[in-house]
Amino acid sequence: KQEVTQIPAALSVPEGENLVLNCSFTDSAIYNLQWFRQDPGKGLTSLLLIQSSQREQTSGRLNASLDKSSGRSTLYIAASQPGDSATYLCAVGTQGGSEKLVFGKGTKLTVNP
Amino acid sequence: DAGVIQSPRHEVTEMGQEVTLRCKPISGHNSLFWYRQTMMRGLELLIYFNNNVPIDDSGMPEDRFSAKMPNASFSTLKIQPSEPRDSAVYFCASTGTRGSEQFFGPGTRLTVL
Repeated sequence: KQEVTQIPAALSVPEGENLVLNCSFTDSAIYNLQWFRQDPGKGLTSLLLIQSSQREQTSGRLNASLDKSSGRSTLYIAASQPGDSATYLCAVGTQGGSEKLVFGKGTKLTVNP
Repeated sequence: DAGVIQSPRHEVTEMGQEVTLRCKPISGHNSLFWYRQTMMRGLELLIYFNNNVPIDDSGMPEDRFSAKMPNASFSTLKIQPSEPRDSAVYFCASTGTRGSEQFFGPGTRLTVL
C-alpha cells in the first residue's frame, strides 16, 4: 500500500528566504506526482505535475524534482513571499489502471514579512 | 471555464438525516473523484468515476455512503443516515485524461450534530 509522508508538518521562514519542502513515498512504481497548494478554507490548487519519466518541473519561482528510485520529491520555492503562506500537499499517482492519488498530510508554510 | 462546482458549500445537519452533496466537473473532463478531508486522516479518496462509470469505490467507508454519476456533468455523494463522525470537508475533483492534473472544487464543509 502506497504511503506518502511530508516533513516537516509546519515551517516558518522570513520573507525572501529560499526553502525546500519534502515528500517521500514508499512504493517507487508511481505514475506521476502532483504538488498542490491549499489556502485555509479553500480547495486545492494544482502547482506542478511531474510524470514518472520526468526529473523536474518548473513554474515561476517553484521547482519540483522527482527521484523515483529513492522515493522522494522536493518542492523548491525561491525568494519566498507572505503570499506563499499556505499548506502544500504532495500526491502520488499509482500505476496500473487506477487514476487514484495518494496524498501526504501536507506542510503548513508561514512566510513572515 | 467555471472550474469544478460543488454545492452546498456548507451543510449542517442532525445525526440520522440524509445528506446529498453535489458536483459539476469541468466540461470535457471524463474522470471525477470524491475525496474527504479531516484533520486526523488528511485527504482520502472515496470513489472515482471514469466516463460516468464507478471504477474504484474501495475508499467508501461503509454502506451509508453512496455515489452516482448519471451523466457527464453531474455527480452526487449521499450519506444516509449521517453520523457525527462523517463531519469533514468533502471535495470533488475532475481530470481530462489519464495522468493529467486533477482540478479540485471548493469543497463542502459538512457538520453532523
